[in-house]
Amino acid sequence: GNSVTQMEGPVTLSEEAFLTINCTYTATGYPSLFWYVQYPGEGLQLLLKATKADDKGSNKGFEATYRKETTSFHLEKGSVQVSDSAVYFCALSGRMNYGGSQGNLIFGKGTKLSVKP
Amino acid sequence: KAGVTQTPRYLIKTRGQQVTLSCSPISGHRSVSWYQQTPGQGLQFLFEYFSETQRNKGNFPGRFSGRQFSNSRSEMNVSTLELGDSALYLCASSSLGLAGDETQYFGPGTRLLVL
Repeated sequence: GNSVTQMEGPVTLSEEAFLTINCTYTATGYPSLFWYVQYPGEGLQLLLKATKADDKGSNKGFEATYRKETTSFHLEKGSVQVSDSAVYFCALSGRMNYGGSQGNLIFGKGTKLSVKP
Repeated sequence: KAGVTQTPRYLIKTRGQQVTLSCSPISGHRSVSWYQQTPGQGLQFLFEYFSETQRNKGNFPGRFSGRQFSNSRSEMNVSTLELGDSALYLCASSSLGLAGDETQYFGPGTRLLVL
């Protein structure tokens, strides 16, 4: 079945450091891929998404490229800030036979990022 | 547009009781999905409703049920609560469709504590 594997945390970085959080997936067909972020005590916020191979999603300085050949969707940011401290989830949305979404997201276990000033 | 809203935000119940959680999707969204988040199991899919019909269901016991109303608002119910049901319950809405945006937008969650 479909699954998502992301690097275990926690990840601790200094402000302005480069961030990479690895995410790989297993899926039949061509899922859509997402990164969500969760701040303490809150729900999930969509950070970025990609719906087909070679698409690059980007938002707030974060980027991730949908790599079908390596089944990966790694999250990167060139210079992190203290305000980026949160838990990051990689997720995929499977597809029905007719092409529509299955309506359920499959999540990785989350990576906690702490950024120190 | 207003985001996804969930009520109540916090709940304390005792074992054996039942609980009903409510979710109002983003205006115009017809798909509502529910997820359970726990430290041990992470984020797990409960079920998805689209136009008042359950389209997809996760691997949870029958104590967990849901429904969707004609205005797309959704409720989930957990009967005979167990300690292990303590979790953050998240609702997400989506416009979903063959050519539509399948992105799910999440509410703030309902934190349930079972004593």
